Amino acid sequence: ETGVTQTPRHLVMGMTNKKSLKCEQHLGHNAMYWYKQSAKKPLELMFVYSLEERVENNSVPSRFSPECPNSSHLFLHLHTLQPEDSALYLCASSQETGNTYEQYFGPGTRLTVT
Amino acid sequence: AQSVAQPEDQVNVAEGNPLTVKCTYSVSGNPYLFWYVQYPNRGLQFLLKYITGDNLVKGSYGFEAEFNKSQTSFHLKKPSALVSDSALYFCAVRPSGSARQLTFGSGTQLTVLP
Repeated sequence: ETGVTQTPRHLVMGMTNKKSLKCEQHLGHNAMYWYKQSAKKPLELMFVYSLEERVENNSVPSRFSPECPNSSHLFLHLHTLQPEDSALYLCASSQETGNTYEQYFGPGTRLTVT
Repeated sequence: AQSVAQPEDQVNVAEGNPLTVKCTYSVSGNPYLFWYVQYPNRGLQFLLKYITGDNLVKGSYGFEAEFNKSQTSFHLKKPSALVSDSALYFCAVRPSGSARQLTFGSGTQLTVLP
């Protein structure tokens, strides 16, 4: 799991706060992803970046704002969240060439919105 | 659109016995199939994949999976279960080609009893 790191590991925030989640991959990959994992639900893909360009946005509310300044770093900026946004947020990366395709995940940020 | 079904929320098996975690899929064209494992408070860890070739693929920690095209299945197996195999297991699929979106199943909680 050290290939993809996420900070913070835990975050508690009020609905009026602004915070950011950070992800860093040390694998030399060219694609990065944000997922939301809620209890008893399948993983929900939120955003995909390939070569630092956002290529997919799966109808995520605008209170979530991603940023990918380079191929190794990915942020998720949060503002005016709702209690139902409480979940585990997972970052992943992959190499979109060759014959690999598998995604490697970070440990996640456990977010609680109060 | 692709989909993945893991029909069992929970699988219990005695230590030393063989284990099977079931997965069926639906995808247009040839599938790329993956198994991931998640331990408590951790991210998803890649176990194995099927891209092409031999229908029986071997992965980490003694796990293997068999691709069955006619039954659209990709069941995860291990000949002898360990207590440390207890975790949440996810099957995932993506179509071959340039699409990046992995679709995950809802997960199966495996408990290996000592």
